[in-house]
Amino acid sequence: AQSVTQLDSQVPVFEEAPVELRCNYSSSVSVYLFWYVQYPNQGLQLLLKYLSGSTLVKGINGFEAEFNKSQTSFHLRKPSVHISDTAEYFCAVSEVGNTGKLIFGQGTTLQVKP
Amino acid sequence: SQTIHQWPATLVQPVGSPLSLECTVEGTSNPNLYWYRQAAGRGLQLLFYSVGIGQISSEVPQNLSASRPQDRQFILSSKKLLLSDSGFYLCAWSGLAKETQYFGPGTRLLVL
Repeated sequence: AQSVTQLDSQVPVFEEAPVELRCNYSSSVSVYLFWYVQYPNQGLQLLLKYLSGSTLVKGINGFEAEFNKSQTSFHLRKPSVHISDTAEYFCAVSEVGNTGKLIFGQGTTLQVKP
Repeated sequence: SQTIHQWPATLVQPVGSPLSLECTVEGTSNPNLYWYRQAAGRGLQLLFYSVGIGQISSEVPQNLSASRPQDRQFILSSKKLLLSDSGFYLCAWSGLAKETQYFGPGTRLLVL
């Protein structure tokens, strides 16, 4: 069985500062990795995903994440955040070749301050 | 392009009343469909998934059921709502490869 841990429940940061949202996972099989963003009262929007290939993946809105297999991590980064990045961020994994069932972390609230 | 719709957007229901939430997908055929629930202050939990018409798999025992009467329609139901059924319900779809899921706008359910 897989599990996902998002190490920070809340991350406050000032506008234009860099940010890293941490995600670690546990799995005995190969996984796909995802980051989703949720704005208040909205559904989840896919930010980026790692399926295979290059371990550094780039997504929408200037975000990127790096898959580190040895550390079982998939941290999300952005070099300079905007007020509009304030949202809830979810890391998720799914087992390769299975039903596609996503296992989510508990979420990290990114609070960008002016 | 593919789009996913959910309705209603918001619903307030009394305890013991029935429930029907609908999800439809456009622009794709034979999608895999998923229902998730997001309870307040908690992460998302998969409730049901479906790989085809009439094929439903349940992930957790609960007061809810799901049906897929048409290829691109997924319905979440309950005969009698409980207070604990309150939450944000999200529908998602993926293609045949099941690699990536795309989510709908969600339905916020409040049971009083």
